[in-house]
Amino acid sequence: EADIYQTPRYLVIGTGKKITLECSQTMGHDKMYWYQQDPGMELHLIHYSYGVNSTEKGDLSSESTVSRIRTEHFPLTLESARPSHTSQYLCASSASYGYTFGSGTRLTVV
Amino acid sequence: AQSVTQPDIHITVSEGASLELRCNYSYGATPYLFWYVQSPGQGLQLLLKYFSGDTLVQGIKGFEAEFKRSQSSFNLRKPSVHWSDAAEYFCAVGPLYRYNNNDMRFGAGTRLTVKP
Repeated sequence: EADIYQTPRYLVIGTGKKITLECSQTMGHDKMYWYQQDPGMELHLIHYSYGVNSTEKGDLSSESTVSRIRTEHFPLTLESARPSHTSQYLCASSASYGYTFGSGTRLTVV
Repeated sequence: AQSVTQPDIHITVSEGASLELRCNYSYGATPYLFWYVQSPGQGLQLLLKYFSGDTLVQGIKGFEAEFKRSQSSFNLRKPSVHWSDAAEYFCAVGPLYRYNNNDMRFGAGTRLTVKP
């Protein structure tokens, strides 16, 4: 049973809108991650956090930003959505080795 | 640099047939290896992992994988595939020791289709 939750599951939004993708976990994990996933492509790490007030950019350049004010919460924000942001966004958390993933948010920007 | 290669983008097998999904890695030492499965519209679920010891590891849903150091491989197998196994399968390697934390790198995935 997943203890990491992402909302919304699906989002269709117009260009230029500000959006926040929510990710929360109840396992007390210090490490949290955001991945971007496109069909047939590997998962690309866009942000990660090793604890409260710790955030870093990942391997793939992204125009999104993240915050980590509480251990359980790791939201991702796009200030001005563009069609190029259309993708699936996966949140994960980890205590040591191996990740627990949320169900993902599929974002479509029109 | 650490990397993971899944040579097969898409595999189709008949229900009841055996399955093997390939994973090759590049890593400077003995890696930690993982297989995840992703059903349509879902996140990734851990199937099994290898850290050390017995090179044949058992996972959930009847899957197993074998670590072969000489071939830098960690192939996933199942003796008899069920229609519910149709999904995307991801191999991952770690730790990457980014800032002394134990992150992972994922392959591009293999999509499994199961024929009736």
